[in-house]
Amino acid sequence: QVQLVQSGAEVKRPGASVKVSCKASGYTFTSYDINWVRQATGQGLEWMGWMNPNSGNTASAQYFQGRITMTRNTSIGTAYMELSSLRSEDTAVYYCARGSYCQIWGQGTTVTVSS
Amino acid sequence: QSVLTQPPSVSGAPGQRVTISCTGSSSNIGAGYDVHWYQQFPGTAPKLLIYGNSNRPSGVPDRFSGSKSGTSASLAITGLQAVDEADYYCQSFDSTLSGWVFGGGTKLTVL
Repeated sequence: QVQLVQSGAEVKRPGASVKVSCKASGYTFTSYDINWVRQATGQGLEWMGWMNPNSGNTASAQYFQGRITMTRNTSIGTAYMELSSLRSEDTAVYYCARGSYCQIWGQGTTVTVSS
Repeated sequence: QSVLTQPPSVSGAPGQRVTISCTGSSSNIGAGYDVHWYQQFPGTAPKLLIYGNSNRPSGVPDRFSGSKSGTSASLAITGLQAVDEADYYCQSFDSTLSGWVFGGGTKLTVL
């Protein structure tokens, strides 16, 4: 069964960093891109960035450049997204999704930024 | 404000046909980039509905169809059912932003 399983909910203080993991199973991890998408409560989807798990190459939305780091561990088929300098506006559900047209999605990770 | 513009809401009675538009520009849809559509129910992750403008993944009913023309794309749902009540999002690539962009989403209400 092809699936992406994400890490659990996080609560962070403003200014801190959060690292979300996304473990792939049921397919060859390095064969498909991983996208990161977030969604604030009651809002729409926002693309954050993309990573090629084979090469490690990444690209991110301009809004997140300088704050987002996407990495992977191919030996365990896991992608990571770290967002730094958190602010209250970063409170959202964060999703990883497989492929250029996001055919498979993780279940989402709720990140709450609050003092 | 989203780069891709969708109507905030559409509605239709069971059995009817509804369409959801996704309007872009010459740097995204109009530049020839593919449009993808997603369906999302409250509290759940989005689900791919249409990829590559008009292709349905296996398991998606043929009541759902997609099309693209010029700087716009559309999602059509025929034989509307209560289970179709959800949020729908379009997605494409934008060359100016050098990244993927989503529409603002459309809430479909089945009357």
